[in-house]
Amino acid sequence: DAKTTQPPSMDCAEGRAANLPCNHSTISGNEYVYWYRQIHSQGPQYIIHGLKNNETNEMASLIITEDRKSSTLILPHATLRDTAVYYCIVRVVDTGRRALTFGSGTRLQVQP
Amino acid sequence: DGGITQSPKYLFRKEGQNVTLSCEQNLNHDAMYWYRQDPGQGLRLIYYSQIVNDFQKGDIAEGYSVSREKKESFPLTVTSAQKNPTAFYLCASSIATGEDGYTFGSGTRLTVV
Repeated sequence: DAKTTQPPSMDCAEGRAANLPCNHSTISGNEYVYWYRQIHSQGPQYIIHGLKNNETNEMASLIITEDRKSSTLILPHATLRDTAVYYCIVRVVDTGRRALTFGSGTRLQVQP
Repeated sequence: DGGITQSPKYLFRKEGQNVTLSCEQNLNHDAMYWYRQDPGQGLRLIYYSQIVNDFQKGDIAEGYSVSREKKESFPLTVTSAQKNPTAFYLCASSIATGEDGYTFGSGTRLTVV
């Protein structure tokens, strides 16, 4: 699976949009981009995933560039409860499911 | 409610003792996973299982053992051979194929005293 690069930390003001970038320049055509977050001392929580098109759900939006070499997770109106470590993961989805590989992620601090 | 349960939440053991961490899911997921997390670090894969009675080593399997006798259960044993067992242990499950995400448990914090 392709390697990802994320900034180690980011700050965001409460109520503003949080834009978390992820670089995956070696991504291949059959690899999906997944985002998870981990609030302190809890298990990671699935947020969203996508292949080529932009995706939106009740938690966030995922914007993938046309060349698929990078993506951005957008939390439209960040709250204090969004303070967490956010992981961007790229993996192949095939019949032989392989385990996710987690990097160090981005620590998002939402400021009041 | 469907979910994945890890127990206990906190566990203490004496050095040299084996200890087993429980992971149970009622999501009807075929695949289950064990990860270890050290302070300030990401998750590292210990073992995973895609089907009952079958499992594969992850990146840091040494000093650990697992079994998968039932679809719902994937216990992890931390043996005395694990040099630095103090960590946060996370269990996850997913369907066997396809693009759906993982469901994680709330974790077990193991401390060796």
